[in-house]
Amino acid sequence: GAGVSQTPSNKVTEKGKYVELRCDPISGHTALYWYRQSLGQGPEFLIYFQGTGAADDSGLPNDRFFAVRPEGSVSTLKIQRTERGDSAVYLCASSLEGSGLRNEQFFGPGTRLTVL
Amino acid sequence: DQQVKQNSPSLSVQEGRISILNCDYTNSMFDYFLWYKKYPAEGPTFLISISSIKDKNEDGRFTVFLNKSAKHLSLHIVPSQPGDSAVYFCAASVNFGNEKLTFGTGTRLTIIP
Repeated sequence: GAGVSQTPSNKVTEKGKYVELRCDPISGHTALYWYRQSLGQGPEFLIYFQGTGAADDSGLPNDRFFAVRPEGSVSTLKIQRTERGDSAVYLCASSLEGSGLRNEQFFGPGTRLTVL
Repeated sequence: DQQVKQNSPSLSVQEGRISILNCDYTNSMFDYFLWYKKYPAEGPTFLISISSIKDKNEDGRFTVFLNKSAKHLSLHIVPSQPGDSAVYFCAASVNFGNEKLTFGTGTRLTIIP
């Protein structure tokens, strides 16, 4: 079956521009997560959706970052007024449910964002 | 502050020998631990996990050991195979769920044929 897909795979933008990153989770997965991986670091949690609602957005670094999941499936991470420090690989993951033991998160290949 | 630490950025092991990857954590609220494997240009893939009620979990060639008093866990791969060459991330969560994973910085494992 299809795994988690993310588009685009690469995005180059200029400082100050607005970008949208898309995530298509595995069909039937109710939980969706966004992580950011900077060079030489591990993935860093940004936000977690259970269905359509953001259950935990404590990892969003500031109000330039926003994410939506209007129909409980596809999610879009939106970054306004991009800065060079936003350059990273943005990873999306989904899981069958949002909690419970052995609730494995399946990751997509990521979107590499470069802000010039 | 780094709550999950992998102090070895890289490790090289001869094919057929044992690979041991280490991970330390500081948050005593963590009660569920996972190892992920990552190949270049791919997302991390779940490998094995352990809850804090256990001290060992085994799955084929992979075994994870947890020492709660030392806040330390390790992943053993035996025997190591060339396909095991990848970056390995240790991750942790609270409340026996894994809604929000906290990752270490990773260890790059290279298996030498």
